[in-house]
Amino acid sequence: QVQLKESGPGLVQPSQTLSLTCTVSGFSLSSYGVIWVRQPPGKGLEWMGVIWGNGNTNYNSALKSRLSISRDTSKSQVYLKMNSLQTEDTATYYCARIRDGTYYYFDYWGQGVMVTVSS
Amino acid sequence: DTVLTQSPALAVSPGERVTISCRASESVSTGMHWYQQKPGQQPKLLIYGASNLESGVPARFSGSGSGTDFTLTIDPVEADDTATYFCQQSWNDLTFGSGTKLEIK
Repeated sequence: QVQLKESGPGLVQPSQTLSLTCTVSGFSLSSYGVIWVRQPPGKGLEWMGVIWGNGNTNYNSALKSRLSISRDTSKSQVYLKMNSLQTEDTATYYCARIRDGTYYYFDYWGQGVMVTVSS
Repeated sequence: DTVLTQSPALAVSPGERVTISCRASESVSTGMHWYQQKPGQQPKLLIYGASNLESGVPARFSGSGSGTDFTLTIDPVEADDTATYFCQQSWNDLTFGSGTKLEIK
């Protein structure tokens, strides 16, 4: 069945770089895109960036200068790297599979990984 | 950016019918989708394309609307429906609504 699982450090120091991995199973990254979405404690959802099945990427303009998303299809993994972290980047980070066609939405989500930015 | 506006909270009793609204600042055609997020869990897709029920989601959930005004309806509401409900559009770039927290009395 389709599964996604995020992994990465739970604690990152301010100004450092966050590296997260989304490991997927049950589908091919060459056929489906993956989105990263984050959620600060008690707040709403913010999309961060997308890597499509063809390998192209799109980023939220608010994060674009700090964010990079890549993948390794042979490992079924998608990577997120974001630099210059600040306390406001404290959030739960999710990856989700994109189902696209006329429009796109997210049909399977990982459980999320909580990242705290603190010294 | 297309802004999606949701009312912050609702409280209903089990067995009642509840409608959760989402208004877009500009037309998104039928490119509106709904998610349920229970406390401590990841979001779950309920409705896509404004009115299409995701596989495995109970028929108590339904969606309607087009253009700028959309509604998620739960009828009848059950205690397990306690959650925050988010709308999301992908017609004009991508945005999420701020969520409506549903309390079951």
